[in-house]
Amino acid sequence: KNQVEQSPQSLIILEGKNCTLQCNYTVSPFSNLRWYKQDTGRGPVSLTIMTFSENTKSNGRYTATLDADTKQSSLHITASQLSDSASYICVVSGGSYIPTFGRGTSLIVHP
Amino acid sequence: DTEVTQTPKHLVMGMTNKKSLKCEQHMGHRAMYWYKQKAKKPPELMFVYSYEKLSINESVPSRFSPECPNSSLLNLHLHALQPEDSALYLCASSQDGQPVTYNEQFFGPGTRLTVL
Repeated sequence: KNQVEQSPQSLIILEGKNCTLQCNYTVSPFSNLRWYKQDTGRGPVSLTIMTFSENTKSNGRYTATLDADTKQSSLHITASQLSDSASYICVVSGGSYIPTFGRGTSLIVHP
Repeated sequence: DTEVTQTPKHLVMGMTNKKSLKCEQHMGHRAMYWYKQKAKKPPELMFVYSYEKLSINESVPSRFSPECPNSSLLNLHLHALQPEDSALYLCASSQDGQPVTYNEQFFGPGTRLTVL
């Protein structure tokens, strides 16, 4: 069964600090992995998308890594801002174009 | 235009009402999706349209009826809903619906539905 597990479930950090979110998946075959940011009550916004040949992808202060061998991905946020408070969702697509969603990591950035 | 729009933003309806949710994109995408999302849960796929044809129905109750009038528009008709159907309904689109392609989904802002 295709699964995407994210950790931690929630995270609280101080403004200006860095943090790393984890995503482990069992989706096979693998097509691509995406990280989304979702503000409460809003639709998800894409941060990065990576195929199996890509190890790192950056989008401003967001850097995603992918290890297709161990089926792990991480999202690193640098110099966090209050506006980074949101849910971060890892989504993996495989042989079917129906993606598998993780449950998300809820990030709270305190001043 | 790289945006998916949804209307209305909020909808309150009774269990006997008939209403529709609308979704529009002008990115030339040929796959469009409806998702349902409950609080603190990931989105759950409901329907997928590929090239304006319904390709996936994830065992959704018939009180939800999708419609794709053209390649830019996607509707979700609602009838005789239950209070447990209250949720955020998200529309998404992607370049095409074929597997193993680089197929990023763009989401709309969602419609917050409350069923009384």
